[in-house]
Amino acid sequence: QKEVEQNSGPLSVPEGAIASLNCTYSDRGSQSFFWYRQYSGKSPELIMFIYSNGDKEDGRFTAQLNKASQYVSLLIRDSQPSDSATYLCAVSGGGADGLTFGKGTHLIIQP
Amino acid sequence: DVKVTQSSRYLVKRTGEKVFLECVQDMDHENMFWYRQDPGLGLRLIYFSYDVKMKEKGDIPEGYSVSREKKERFSLILESASTNQTSMYLCATWTVGYTFGSGTRLTVV
Repeated sequence: QKEVEQNSGPLSVPEGAIASLNCTYSDRGSQSFFWYRQYSGKSPELIMFIYSNGDKEDGRFTAQLNKASQYVSLLIRDSQPSDSATYLCAVSGGGADGLTFGKGTHLIIQP
Repeated sequence: DVKVTQSSRYLVKRTGEKVFLECVQDMDHENMFWYRQDPGLGLRLIYFSYDVKMKEKGDIPEGYSVSREKKERFSLILESASTNQTSMYLCATWTVGYTFGSGTRLTVV
């Protein structure tokens, strides 16, 4: 059984600071890694994906992957109140059978 | 952009009813998925399909079935709704990662 673990939070970060969200996964054969943002009452939306070890940056967001440690993280720089949401980590084995999701980390950006 | 449309945003059904949840995508994608999302349990895969008339069980298929007669439409069927099927149901299609529909919040009373 594939497992994806996240700290449920809430994680409280002051506005303008860096928010750091972490995720570990159990299946060493996992190929692709995704971060979704979900606002309360809404469906998840994809914000980042990463396939290779190292960092991937997109605007204020940076995804980091360490396959040896089975660890994925998401950094949000210059955090804004609009970043307050639940962030879901998801992992794929590379096949057509979909993603395995963590239960999400609730992030609160305090003005 | 891919559009994934779920026919109902909110639905209230009675125990024992047969319930149909519809999902339509507009980009000719092969892979489609049904999840349910519950507080404390996260997103759990019910069924998925990688082609017309093809279906595969996910992690929690019990009490559900699916239908995919056309490529753009993937239906989730609750054969006899029960209160423990009260949940948010999310349909998704695969491109790079998922594109989700807006979700159907189903309440079974």
